[in-house]
Amino acid sequence: DAEITQSPRHKITETGRQVTLACHQTWNHNNMFWYRQDLGHGLRLIHYSYGVQDTNKGEVSDGYSVSRSNTEDLPLTLESAASSQTSVYFCASSGGEAGANVLTFGAGSRLTVL
Amino acid sequence: GQNIDQPTEMTATEGAIVQINCTYQTSGFNGLFWYQQHAGEAPTFLSYNVLDGLEEKGRFSSFLSRSKGYSYLLLKELQMKDSASYLCAAYDSNYQLIWGAGTKLIIKP
Repeated sequence: DAEITQSPRHKITETGRQVTLACHQTWNHNNMFWYRQDLGHGLRLIHYSYGVQDTNKGEVSDGYSVSRSNTEDLPLTLESAASSQTSVYFCASSGGEAGANVLTFGAGSRLTVL
Repeated sequence: GQNIDQPTEMTATEGAIVQINCTYQTSGFNGLFWYQQHAGEAPTFLSYNVLDGLEEKGRFSSFLSRSKGYSYLLLKELQMKDSASYLCAAYDSNYQLIWGAGTKLIIKP
């Protein structure tokens, strides 16, 4: 069965360290997204990609970067982790061309920055 | 600015019916989603409405009024497993998804 997997599921790190969260999907979806979810807020878009070598900034992209070297993977890197980046991070993917598409989410990665 | 409003929390009784409302203000509109999210889990797709009216899927129905910027999710014959957060999200004119903060639904026996 096709799936979307995130790793690690839980991570504790220190302020200033670089952290990479992995996202791998076997749906063969062109579109991939990274969101963060915090209490009292809706899902907030960090970065997204519509295909290989395509990356775009979302509404809360400062301090984060992504790269898309193949269809399956969109790793999210925190260059220098800050306490404000403590959150639950969700990767999602969708198929189809531009337009309305259903998102399939990974199980989430809970990141704590001390 | 773009905004989605939905109640923070609702409580209902097992076997009853509950309606979760969502109002949206977006730059253009290209449809509205409802997702379900159990605690500690990923959101999962429930429904997508782009035209006015009611769409029914088993115990769950979703309604949209584009002229009023309003949607609701109707859950019938509530079961304990329906205890979850329900997320409303609308596409703007650029197909960017705007998310509400979610409604936590508590089901009591």
